[in-house]
Amino acid sequence: EPEVTQTPSHQVTQMGQEVILRCVPISNHLYFYWYRQILGQKVEFLVSFYNNEISEKSEIFDDQFSVERPDGSNFTLKIRSTKLEDSAMYFCASSSDLVIPDTQYFGPGTRLTVL
Amino acid sequence: AQTVTQSQPEMSVQEAETVTLSCTYDTSENNYYLFWYKQPPSRQMILVIRQEAYKQQNATENRFSVNFQKAAKSFSLKISDSQLGDTAMYFCAFQVTASKLTFGTGTRLQVTL
Repeated sequence: EPEVTQTPSHQVTQMGQEVILRCVPISNHLYFYWYRQILGQKVEFLVSFYNNEISEKSEIFDDQFSVERPDGSNFTLKIRSTKLEDSAMYFCASSSDLVIPDTQYFGPGTRLTVL
Repeated sequence: AQTVTQSQPEMSVQEAETVTLSCTYDTSENNYYLFWYKQPPSRQMILVIRQEAYKQQNATENRFSVNFQKAAKSFSLKISDSQLGDTAMYFCAFQVTASKLTFGTGTRLQVTL
């Protein structure tokens, strides 16, 4: 069964450093999303991406964040200068408009720890 | 803006029993989707069940079923014959077509022997 994959599973970085979180969505999906979950809290939307551009973003997704689909398979989230409060689990999700439309399938997440 | 409320932070159920998790939401939209996601200790987000708002029939997936009351904006999850592997955090979520998911704060379910 196709699944969303994410790398790395755990990333530790120093405050102020740049990090890139990588995701490979399900191959025939067209909509891509990033969410984050601070430990013990609910899952929060960051950004959605469709047709090679951002379709929606939250207030959390400020200038420190960017997304990119550099090739036909990868979808990345970059945080330019990490802050302590960026420590969270980051989930990538994808969905199709054809098969079971509007159902988002999540990757296993990347745990980001900012020291 | 949509909001999703889960009023039960924690619940406990004995193995083989039935438990119902509550969820209410607020929206002015007429066409939307509702979901329940399960998050075990591994923190993976696993889709449990989905409901289209235009369907009156409640969705069912094996031991999992929902009670969708559109007028009341209520979407509860019933787990029958609870198993130890059902122990997890359960999140209710709302989505308008091709848009973001809005999650509730979750209900931690513990299944005991």
